[in-house]
Amino acid sequence: DIVMTQGALPNPVPSGESASITCQSSKSLLHSNGKTYLNWYLQRPGQSPQLLIYWMSTRASGVSDRFSGSGSGTDFTLKISSVEAEDVGVYYCQQFLEYPLTFGSGTKLEIK
Amino acid sequence: EVQLQQSGAELGKPGTSVKLSCKVSGYNIRSTYMHWVNQRPGKGLEWIGRIDPANGNTIYAEKFKSKATLTADTSSNTAYMQLSQLKSDDTAIYFCAMIYDGYWFAYWGQGTLVTVSS
Repeated sequence: DIVMTQGALPNPVPSGESASITCQSSKSLLHSNGKTYLNWYLQRPGQSPQLLIYWMSTRASGVSDRFSGSGSGTDFTLKISSVEAEDVGVYYCQQFLEYPLTFGSGTKLEIK
Repeated sequence: EVQLQQSGAELGKPGTSVKLSCKVSGYNIRSTYMHWVNQRPGKGLEWIGRIDPANGNTIYAEKFKSKATLTADTSSNTAYMQLSQLKSDDTAIYFCAMIYDGYWFAYWGQGTLVTVSS
């Protein structure tokens, strides 16, 4: 199974500052078609997860441009520029390259 | 608008089974795969498995192969997950999720809380 390892944030993050969340996969998520099968989700308190980023760097419809994804085949970063109160929650990376699908353990974002 | 509506909270006794449902509106489930994910109290997301409603083909995470059974009824556009031989460790929120136009969960149900207690 592909293991996804997420880093922690130095919470709380001051409102208006940027925050970067890291995710590392135990296997390259770069497919031969040139796409990287890495997704990011945000789960706000008491809610279902929602898609933020797919193909490692493509924002989902309706997602603020304050969110950006980047990385290589095994190391990924979700950057939130100018964090706001509505960004509070737990962020998960997920690999969709192969079954079983796996998620990172989650990174909690708190705002000061 | 695509919506996934899950069934209500369940209280199951140890050793029994429960069957959860996920009704999809706004999209034909024959054109997608339906996935199930769980979240134990205070923990992260864990993928259980997926079903292709068009033909009933399933794939499960190893640890759920004898725990979960995924089915789908295309006539009612509903996916189901049965959890058997319930243990306290099965207490969790169970989400259904749907891919739409790529390899990501574009839509999620609201979750069903399953509590296992005698």
